[in-house]
Amino acid sequence: QKEVEQNSGPLSVPEGAIASLNCTYSDRGSQSFFWYRQYSGKSPELIMFIYSNGDKEDGRFTAQLNKASQYVSLLIRDSQPSDSATYLCAVRPGGYQKVTFGIGTKLQVIP
Amino acid sequence: DARVTQTPRHKVTEMGQEVTMRCQPILGHNTVFWYRQTMMQGLELLAYFRNRAPLDDSGMPKDRFSAEMPDATLATLKIQPSEPRDSAVYFCASGLVVGGGSYEQYFGPGTRLTVT
Repeated sequence: QKEVEQNSGPLSVPEGAIASLNCTYSDRGSQSFFWYRQYSGKSPELIMFIYSNGDKEDGRFTAQLNKASQYVSLLIRDSQPSDSATYLCAVRPGGYQKVTFGIGTKLQVIP
Repeated sequence: DARVTQTPRHKVTEMGQEVTMRCQPILGHNTVFWYRQTMMQGLELLAYFRNRAPLDDSGMPKDRFSAEMPDATLATLKIQPSEPRDSAVYFCASGLVVGGGSYEQYFGPGTRLTVT
């Protein structure tokens, strides 16, 4: 079992719809969770982080964390073609341990 | 506009040659990471440094890879000898860690390495 699992996609959604990206992790001691967006040929850029159970909203983005189920998700409301990218989930246990990335989910927003 | 810089951006080399990649972290950041990204494996951590000291290089093939931070403004990743399977995009990232808290990583533009 991989430490961080994501469906590689592609996930296709129509413009204006809600895109739901999911991630599961294996280490119950994980404390920090990140979502990165990576456009083709570019470097990853951080878009959201979450530490506590529940929802965290930032503009059109909402990160959801459920530590009991070891599950973190990213919702993108009113999806735009410019949201088309690969979304990487990253998980870090407490302390100084390294961050582990998932394989990423490719999102395609269809105009 | 502070950002991580990496050189070279592209490198094509023949099998057996030495490859050196350089990274300048964001000024003031105390943690530097080296990642390798391929389609099959995704983003893999090769090594990381805190205050220039290596903390974890377990993801790196020790027989051919080496990573160093000769000073706070420069991190290097060397491959000697290079092999075709080393072809990938290599990213450097930096972050500021204070105490035991979490931190954000900022990625450089990457070095696209092709070994023929």
